[in-house]
Amino acid sequence: QSALTQPRSVSGSPGQSVTISCTGTSSDVGGYNYVSWYQQHPGKAPKLMIYDVSKRPSGVPDRFSGSKSGNTASLTISGLQAEDEADYYCCSYAGSYTSPFGGGTKLTVL
Amino acid sequence: QVQLVESGGGVVQPGVSLRLSCAASGFTFSSYAMHWVRQAPGKGLEWVAVISYDGSNEYYADSVKGRFTISRDNSKNTLFLQMNSLRADDTAVYYCARDRYRFGYWGQGTLVTVSS
Repeated sequence: QSALTQPRSVSGSPGQSVTISCTGTSSDVGGYNYVSWYQQHPGKAPKLMIYDVSKRPSGVPDRFSGSKSGNTASLTISGLQAEDEADYYCCSYAGSYTSPFGGGTKLTVL
Repeated sequence: QVQLVESGGGVVQPGVSLRLSCAASGFTFSSYAMHWVRQAPGKGLEWVAVISYDGSNEYYADSVKGRFTISRDNSKNTLFLQMNSLRADDTAVYYCARDRYRFGYWGQGTLVTVSS
């Protein structure tokens, strides 16, 4: 049950694009198309932003997109806005109902 | 609308037990797998445990295996987490969350503090 690997922080200016990576193994990210991404603002519960690698729940702006290549998944946020500043976590199904998270990435909007 | 409401958190001493509850509403509870996820102060999210829709399967993170037990009462739309032999590193906000392959809905969390 190893945690997935994310960069600790990323930053970008308003209007720019940023990409957050999430590296796992063939037993999780690489083995299933069940990668999800969560946004968490301070003091709040996490919010689902992307599921099944690249699908967006209703209400999530299309500025948020997801992809996967091999054992690495990515979340791209285009047209950065101030309210996007938050912590972002990836998660992948890993079989037997288990779902480890990444360590989290702090996004700073400069 | 989907609602998940956790309760049962508090301040406890190391070694004691505590039971958390998660009351679900707004969906057919008995049709969904349910999880517990925790977040220690200033730290990231940690998946803790999952139970299948009918309660026939349970899985745990290595960090809690043998000490925590997840269960559910589908007749009362409620999820539970029995936590025994609590340690200081179990201090966290505990969230319940719905769905098998993603965490589509979350509760607001309940804080468990283990301290002497």
